[in-house]
Amino acid sequence: QSVLSQPPSASGTPGQTVTISCSGNSSNIGSNFVYWYQQFPGKAPKLLIYRNDRRPSGVPDRFSGSKSGTSASLAISGLRSDDEADYFCAAWDDSLSGRWVFGGGAKLTVL
Amino acid sequence: VQVVQSGGGVVQPGESLRLSCVASGFSFSDYGMHWVRQAPGKGLEWVSFIRFDGTPKYFPNSVKGRFTVSRDNSKNTLFLQIDSLRPEDTALYYCAKAFGGNSEAYDAFEVWGQGTMVTVSS
Repeated sequence: QSVLSQPPSASGTPGQTVTISCSGNSSNIGSNFVYWYQQFPGKAPKLLIYRNDRRPSGVPDRFSGSKSGTSASLAISGLRSDDEADYFCAAWDDSLSGRWVFGGGAKLTVL
Repeated sequence: VQVVQSGGGVVQPGESLRLSCVASGFSFSDYGMHWVRQAPGKGLEWVSFIRFDGTPKYFPNSVKGRFTVSRDNSKNTLFLQIDSLRPEDTALYYCAKAFGGNSEAYDAFEVWGQGTMVTVSS
């Protein structure tokens, strides 16, 4: 149902690198910035990546973002147990007079 | 920088509710603010935006005419008035500070509130 497509889950072992994808179309990811958020159960979402690949101050450089065409990716390197959370992407969509669209979120499990 | 939400609860269809969001740690009057909701088991849905000067914007069509976003810059407070509540309005509602001063609707969500649950049920 979400406009942006994400895998529902991802997993990795401590120290590994995990990548979470986010797929859209020409009216959203293809023409606008992508943002990534981290959310722990019952907590407010936290901004991880803005404008495709920029990190807010305080976000470790283990988190990185990229975008190509109508898809984007979030990579988490040096995976840690406390990275276990939900990760979702967001982008402005130029259709329907403009609106924000989101991915359904990917639940990251650290094995 | 934080935004703390209040309001919400269990209401019957057709009733009204007002959600609040108090901001601190930044110059509230310089930033636009968003409302986003997430129905149980569903994805996030952007609901509204209000510019620093109080100009509102709403999406989707189902909320137009029933949702009213407003702000009191003197009290660093954002409001979402929801009238004629429907069962499909049941959701966790988030407020969020937009990026950048004089932010517009297309400016993303920089800081989110903790969310407040609205349940519409008879």
